[in-house]
Amino acid sequence: TQLLEQSPQFLSIQEGENLTVYCNSSSVFSSLQWYRQEPGEGPVLLVTVVTGGEVKKLKRLTFQFGDARKDSSLHITAAQPGDTGLYLCAGAGGGSNYKLTFGKGTLLTVNP
Amino acid sequence: NAGVTQTPKFQVLKTGQSMTLQCAQDMNHNSMYWYRQDPGMGLRLIYYSASEGTTDKGEVPNGYNVSRLNKREFSLRLESAAPSQTSVYFCASSRGSGVYEQYFGPGTRLTVT
Repeated sequence: TQLLEQSPQFLSIQEGENLTVYCNSSSVFSSLQWYRQEPGEGPVLLVTVVTGGEVKKLKRLTFQFGDARKDSSLHITAAQPGDTGLYLCAGAGGGSNYKLTFGKGTLLTVNP
Repeated sequence: NAGVTQTPKFQVLKTGQSMTLQCAQDMNHNSMYWYRQDPGMGLRLIYYSASEGTTDKGEVPNGYNVSRLNKREFSLRLESAAPSQTSVYFCASSRGSGVYEQYFGPGTRLTVT
């Protein structure tokens, strides 16, 4: 069974601060996705990283896939209240594994 | 283009009652999924359908059944609801399996008393 551990579980910061959220596993994934979920809604994809060492930027969000494809991080610069939500990482296995394995998520609150 | 739709949005059941959660997608996706989300547990896969005509068990299938009615629709049935099935249920779809982005519905909040 492939497991993804996310840390921290909860994070409460002030507007303008920087933060990093981590997603770690002992398993290798063929790709890793990051989703954001707002209260009362389903998750929405932010980014997919595929290559070990890959870095992707989405405005103030920077995503990195570890060289060994076992871990990933999400860094937010100058957080805003609109960044508040549950951030979920999800790994796709290789070969015949058709499913995504989700981490338990990091609940981020950005206070104005 | 509605994406993924789920009905109902809210439901309260008594222990032992049955119900079917409906899901439909209009994106011509091949794969569809049912998840449950509980506090501190993340999203757990109940069943999935990699393509029309196929269904497979996920991580927590006990107490549930599914039907891939056609390419658009994937329903989840609780035959005899239990309080442990109180949860928020999400349906999702993707173009294919694995690496493809999953599109989620708005969820069904189910309470079993």
